[in-house]
Amino acid sequence: NAGVTQTPKFQVLKTGQSMTLQCAQDMNHNSMYWYRQDPGMGLRLIYYSASEGTTDKGEVPNGYNVSRLNKREFSLRLESAAPSQTSVYFCASSERRDTAFFGQGTRLTVV
Amino acid sequence: RKEVEQDPGPFNVPEGATVAFNCTYSNSASQSFFWYRQDCRKEPKLLMSVYSSGNEDGRFTAQLNRASQYISLLIRDSKLSDSATYLCVVKRGDSSYKLIFGSGTRLLVRP
Repeated sequence: NAGVTQTPKFQVLKTGQSMTLQCAQDMNHNSMYWYRQDPGMGLRLIYYSASEGTTDKGEVPNGYNVSRLNKREFSLRLESAAPSQTSVYFCASSERRDTAFFGQGTRLTVV
Repeated sequence: RKEVEQDPGPFNVPEGATVAFNCTYSNSASQSFFWYRQDCRKEPKLLMSVYSSGNEDGRFTAQLNRASQYISLLIRDSKLSDSATYLCVVKRGDSSYKLIFGSGTRLLVRP
């Protein structure tokens, strides 16, 4: 049982480049989330999807877009990467009031 | 004011000590509560759920006070391996099932 799988694990981008972070879960969860974590800081919610077909902004959505492709997959897109988006990105999934499970994270550096 | 607030620490304690962490939340729509553990910017992992009646898992005890909107975690007989960041997590009970993290409390257990 893979749980939550994120790709890629590491990425270096040049300022202005675009990329998509992929996330897939195999637990049949309805809710999925994207967080970023900067050094010395907690996890900040970028976007979330309460169920297939819905997405909502979190605390720090600027510069990002998301797609809930189907129940399994929730992708995060950076259209024009900026150095301020250098961070560790975590995807998570959960079912209603239950606990959430996390992917291993994507370490993104924008130069 | 952040929706979930924790003392960032660090708490520096000797092996065998008892240590307590506190967390407050501001949104009364919060319905589910958890403590997660995070090591060295790896993905957060569930430590335990928190129930109004209080719950215990080995050396760990969690308490929830809904009236005061307060959550606690008690670790008894601290081990070196308990050194980590402990994240207080709150999940909304509305249809969003939004998952909100505190910024974390860092624990260092010394020999």
